[in-house]
Amino acid sequence: AQSVSQHNHHVILSEAASLELGCNYSYGGTVNLFWYVQYPGQHLQLLLKYFSGDPLVKGIKGFEAEFIKSKFSFNLRKPSVQWSDTAEYFCAVNAHNAGNMLTFGGGTRLMVKP
Amino acid sequence: NAGVTQTPKFHILKIGQSMTLQCTQDMNHNYMYWYRQDPGMGLKLIYYSVGAGITDKGEVPNGYNVSRSTTEDFPLRLELAAPSQTSVYFCASRDYGYTFGSGTRLTVV
Repeated sequence: AQSVSQHNHHVILSEAASLELGCNYSYGGTVNLFWYVQYPGQHLQLLLKYFSGDPLVKGIKGFEAEFIKSKFSFNLRKPSVQWSDTAEYFCAVNAHNAGNMLTFGGGTRLMVKP
Repeated sequence: NAGVTQTPKFHILKIGQSMTLQCTQDMNHNYMYWYRQDPGMGLKLIYYSVGAGITDKGEVPNGYNVSRSTTEDFPLRLELAAPSQTSVYFCASRDYGYTFGSGTRLTVV
């Protein structure tokens, strides 16, 4: 079965600091990869996704992620965070042979100090 | 275009009671999903459906039931509620990407 690991459960940064959130998955086949953001009290919103092609994916709000197949990783990055980026971030994987199921990591709670 | 609509937004249920969480989408998506979200655990798939009349179990189906009589509706039923079912429940539908509802915060006391 596929699984997704997010190793950082809580991250605290100051505004303008750079961000990198780790995501590793365990599945050897073809995958689709996603990052979602959940602002306090709200539902999940898609930040970016990777289906195929360029492994460096750019999403909304200045976020990007890089798919490194050899490392089974899909880390999320942002060069300069803002206070408004305070939220919980979820990595998710949809394996092509996994019955249409989206598997989520445990989430990373990001707090950006003004 | 409302997307995915969940009702209610909040509910308190007593142990042993039953209730149905409603989910409706107006995007004509075939795939629909129910997840529960618990702190530090991410989202766990409860049930999913690939089309009207077809449902299947996810990772954590025990204590829940679903039905999919129409493309639009995918209700989640809790029978004999237990405190372990206290959670936030999200419904989602999928075409090329997933669209999530705003969630139902359920407390079982």
